[in-house]
Amino acid sequence: DTGVSQDPRHKITKRGQNVTFRCDPISEHNRLYWYRQTLGQGPEFLTYFQNEAQLEKSRLLSDRFSAERPKGSFSTLEIQRTEQGDSAMYLCASSPEGGSGYTFGSGTRLTVV
Amino acid sequence: KNEVEQSPQNLTAQEGEFITINCSYSVGISALHWLQQHPGGGIVSLFMLSSGKKKHGRLIATINIQEKHSSLHITASHPRDSAVYICAVIQGAQKLVFGQGTRLTINP
Repeated sequence: DTGVSQDPRHKITKRGQNVTFRCDPISEHNRLYWYRQTLGQGPEFLTYFQNEAQLEKSRLLSDRFSAERPKGSFSTLEIQRTEQGDSAMYLCASSPEGGSGYTFGSGTRLTVV
Repeated sequence: KNEVEQSPQNLTAQEGEFITINCSYSVGISALHWLQQHPGGGIVSLFMLSSGKKKHGRLIATINIQEKHSSLHITASHPRDSAVYICAVIQGAQKLVFGQGTRLTINP
């Protein structure tokens, strides 16, 4: 297992377009998290899955954001009608239930122009 | 006020110096992570601790649950230690709440 993979690494999109990011967690990890990090700040929690169930969503996750983890393995994060304020690094992480072994992906850097 | 506060925000030191980064939090936690982030975004978990002290190589992390405070120490610092160090606390079902990070620069 090569860790948590995120795709793409970088995405430049025009304002108003839809974008989708993918995260492949460590296969034994049943918990998957999405975080967003803007320049110079620490990451902020967006949402969390245990297996295929989305158990918590941040108020940061507006109606334009949706996340899925259909089979309890990989997850997608979609942003509709992107805005310049959506420009950030989107980080995915996974962990087993005990919490140790929390592993981050390398992130997807989104730039909305 | 942020739930997790780190100090200092920026730290520049000479190679070989002993480094301390502090983290204070105001919420109940089950554990705390120290994370390292290099330019380009990749985050690596250095330690997860819920009590006492952990050591790995030149890195030492301590936590005082009663005082809601943790420290990360680096002994014999090296330019390759230059990175952003982030304290993150675990709330609820393993959700992390992050500090704003400490940017460490070690000059040769």
